[in-house]
Amino acid sequence: NAGVMQNPRHLVRRRGQEARLRCSPMKGHSHVYWYRQLPEEGLKFMVYLQKENIIDESGMPKERFSAEFPKEGPSILRIQQVVRGDSAAYFCASSPDHSGNTIYFGEGSWLTVV
Amino acid sequence: GESVGLHLPTLSVQEGDNSIINCAYSNSASDYFIWYKQESGKGPQFIIDIRSNMDKRQGQRVTVLLNKTVKHLSLQIAATQPGDSAVYFCAENGVSGANSKLTFGKGITLSVRP
Repeated sequence: NAGVMQNPRHLVRRRGQEARLRCSPMKGHSHVYWYRQLPEEGLKFMVYLQKENIIDESGMPKERFSAEFPKEGPSILRIQQVVRGDSAAYFCASSPDHSGNTIYFGEGSWLTVV
Repeated sequence: GESVGLHLPTLSVQEGDNSIINCAYSNSASDYFIWYKQESGKGPQFIIDIRSNMDKRQGQRVTVLLNKTVKHLSLQIAATQPGDSAVYFCAENGVSGANSKLTFGKGITLSVRP
């Protein structure tokens, strides 16, 4: 998973605040995926983006969550008005295309809502 | 609904022994399967993958077996080492030809006894 950069690695937010998580994909990769991992569970798909486009957001909660992958800069996962249930590890992954290549994960951003 | 699940939550093996981690999947449309290793506080690390047109694939000290008839996937680790201690996840793509929305199992903890 070398090359997929996520920051911050750890983030603490009070209930009601906003959380912004950033992901820079591996060099040459234009496809980004966000997954969420609750404690002692597997990863759950949230959203799949290409540059400037959301391709599949079927795993995103309908409210408070949004994602973008602008032409320039990292992909951003934004969580507004955080609640304690948002506390989780958020992982970004990237791939060079959508044809079935392996996706590689970053080290994750751990969000704690207090 | 579709699901990927692991038969056992924990596995304890003696250092030097072989480990076998099993996984069941239910989506017959899946044609790509991956094993990931996750150490505490880190992101999922790719171990090995296999496509549905194969029933066995070998890597360095690891072998993945796929039985499409019974929808079963296994990971074999030869000569297990302390560094193999981690949580292991199987994942499937769920949609033929794509890898955008992996479905993960809950994970099994492998503990290596010295």
